[in-house]
Amino acid sequence: QAVLTQPSSLSASPGASASLTCTLRSGINVGTYRIYWYQQKPGSPPQYLLRYKSDSDNHQGSGVPSRFSGSKDASANAGILLISGLQSEDEADYYCMIWHSSAWVFGGGTKLTVL
Amino acid sequence: QVQLLQSGAELKKPGASVRVSCTASGYTFTSSGISWVRQAPGQGLEWMGWISGDTGETKYAQNFQGRVAMTTDTSTSTAYMELRSLRSDDTAMYYCGRDYETFDYWGQGTLVTVSS
Repeated sequence: QAVLTQPSSLSASPGASASLTCTLRSGINVGTYRIYWYQQKPGSPPQYLLRYKSDSDNHQGSGVPSRFSGSKDASANAGILLISGLQSEDEADYYCMIWHSSAWVFGGGTKLTVL
Repeated sequence: QVQLLQSGAELKKPGASVRVSCTASGYTFTSSGISWVRQAPGQGLEWMGWISGDTGETKYAQNFQGRVAMTTDTSTSTAYMELRSLRSDDTAMYYCGRDYETFDYWGQGTLVTVSS
């Protein structure tokens, strides 16, 4: 079982909100991890969006709009990237990442379609 | 402004080695590390390893242990990633990223194609 699991795709309408999940493998407690989120558009390197561990331990990437925010769902053992007020330019692949067992680990990515 | 400039695309035969460079500017090279991340065509991101810009200490992902070597040249603010014994499934875009707790800046990527 992968360390981080993301749904492969998600669709949402312009102006709506999208909640992208990053589920940690059973036995790995989401509460103890900082979860990092990246956005990648076709033909470009990833871009750092934000980091979230708790409301008191979080960081927004430089220039990243406040409509991108992080949270956690402890009951689902998952990190969440919430994008509100979806715009067409938000259509991209989104990756979560954690530092686990002395290595950076990425989730498989979610392709977000805005239509 | 922080920039990471990577070397150009490479075409290699199976069994060969490739070295990719990543030249940093706009910040003090020794103040953070460089991580290398690769992405096979149509696939996700895979972390390969990290090197300190200050001490040259390295940490490699288990999947690449024994096959990858990361070095730096602080005089030119350049990081290098060498991957040996190339296979067709090493065909990917290779990225360097400034590893300052997170990957806040990325190179443009270097396409490495492994084909006979």
